[in-house]
Amino acid sequence: AQTVTQSQPEMSVQEAETVTLSCTYDTSESDYYLFWYKQPPSRQMILVIRQEAYKQQNATENRFSVNFQKAAKSFSLKISDSQLGDAAMYFCAYRSGSGGSNYKLTFGKGTLLTVNP
Amino acid sequence: GAVVSQHPSWVICKSGTSVKIECRSLDFQATTMFWYRQFPKQSLMLMATSNEGSKATYEQGVEKDKFLINHASLTLSTLTVTSAHPEDSSFYICSVQRQGRTNQPQHFGDGTRLSIL
Repeated sequence: AQTVTQSQPEMSVQEAETVTLSCTYDTSESDYYLFWYKQPPSRQMILVIRQEAYKQQNATENRFSVNFQKAAKSFSLKISDSQLGDAAMYFCAYRSGSGGSNYKLTFGKGTLLTVNP
Repeated sequence: GAVVSQHPSWVICKSGTSVKIECRSLDFQATTMFWYRQFPKQSLMLMATSNEGSKATYEQGVEKDKFLINHASLTLSTLTVTSAHPEDSSFYICSVQRQGRTNQPQHFGDGTRLSIL
């Protein structure tokens, strides 16, 4: 079974600074997807960024980028120019590339990010 | 606009009653829907995978007679918590995998906060 580990229960960053959230995973599959989700106090699940395992290039979405190290099974999220609205719980998630119920997401325990003004 | 509608958003009921939560895909057909449970300050835990026209696949430790899942159409799945007790109080959230777009991320509903008195 796949596992996702987020080793930082809480992180804080100053507004306008950069912060990196860590995520490691364990799998024997070669075809999979990785995601970072943001969950603000409203508890909506908001997709931040995703990475296909077959792509060597790291995904980027505006101020959000990932450092995907496939061999090390590491998938960290970098938030640049942090804003107050970035404060939330961040979940790293894994999804198999094969079908059926394997499309389910496996989540890490989350990292609570605080942004200080 | 919202792609997935989850209803109700918040329900309070007495112990012993049954509660039905709906998850509706608004813009597309969904072969597979997922039901997650989230306790305060914890991660999302998959309860079951719901496939249209067939029985749901439950994760280990989830009582299928307690949490009844029906996926009668390609746009609607329901989760019924039968004879609910205070320990069933939690945040329940569904997600939808678009039919034929398995390389795309899942879409989440806004969740249902269930409080059993």
